[in-house]
Amino acid sequence: AQSVAQPEDQVNVAEGNPLTVKCTYSVSGNPYLFWYVQYPNRGLQFLLKYITGDNLVKGSYGFEAEFNKSQTSFHLKKPSALVSDSALYFCAVRDEMNRDDKIIFGKGTRLHILP
Amino acid sequence: DTEVIQTPKHLVMGMTNKKSLKCEQHMGHRAMYWYKQKAKKPPELMFVYSYEKLSINESVPSRFSPECPNSSLLNLHLHALQPEDSALYLCASSQDMGVESWIYEQYFGPGTRLTVT
Repeated sequence: AQSVAQPEDQVNVAEGNPLTVKCTYSVSGNPYLFWYVQYPNRGLQFLLKYITGDNLVKGSYGFEAEFNKSQTSFHLKKPSALVSDSALYFCAVRDEMNRDDKIIFGKGTRLHILP
Repeated sequence: DTEVIQTPKHLVMGMTNKKSLKCEQHMGHRAMYWYKQKAKKPPELMFVYSYEKLSINESVPSRFSPECPNSSLLNLHLHALQPEDSALYLCASSQDMGVESWIYEQYFGPGTRLTVT
């Protein structure tokens, strides 16, 4: 069975500081991993994904994530936070091995960037 | 054009009403999805259409009835809903290559905020 965890309900970061939003996963085979962002009263917006290849993935708006197979993690990072990065962030996973599995989303982490 | 269009933006309906939610995309995507999202929760998958055929139904009650008239359009017909069905309903689309469709990112619409009274 596949699962995904976002251990923090909320992360507070001062503007200009680096930010990290954590995600860990559990799958039987290789994972497909995604990060999405949701602004208030909006749908989800794709940020980046890891399917295969380089462990460091670069995405939209200066975000990046590092796939760490040994720690089963895919943390989202940005070197310098902006107030406009304040939003709800979802990590999602799908197990490449199990063809019957669907993508599942973590519970979400609310990111507050403090001016 | 990477936009998924959903109408209406807001909908209030009584428990005896029949209404429909509409979704449209012109990205040539062949997979389309309906999700339900409660406040401060992740989206919950309801239905997936692949090449205009229903491929996944996540045991959704029959008061929700999806329809895919063509590759660009997706509807969700609502009848005899309950107050607990009040939520944000999100439509999404992605490229589809059969069983590998889950490698593709999904493009989401802004959602329809549904209130059942």
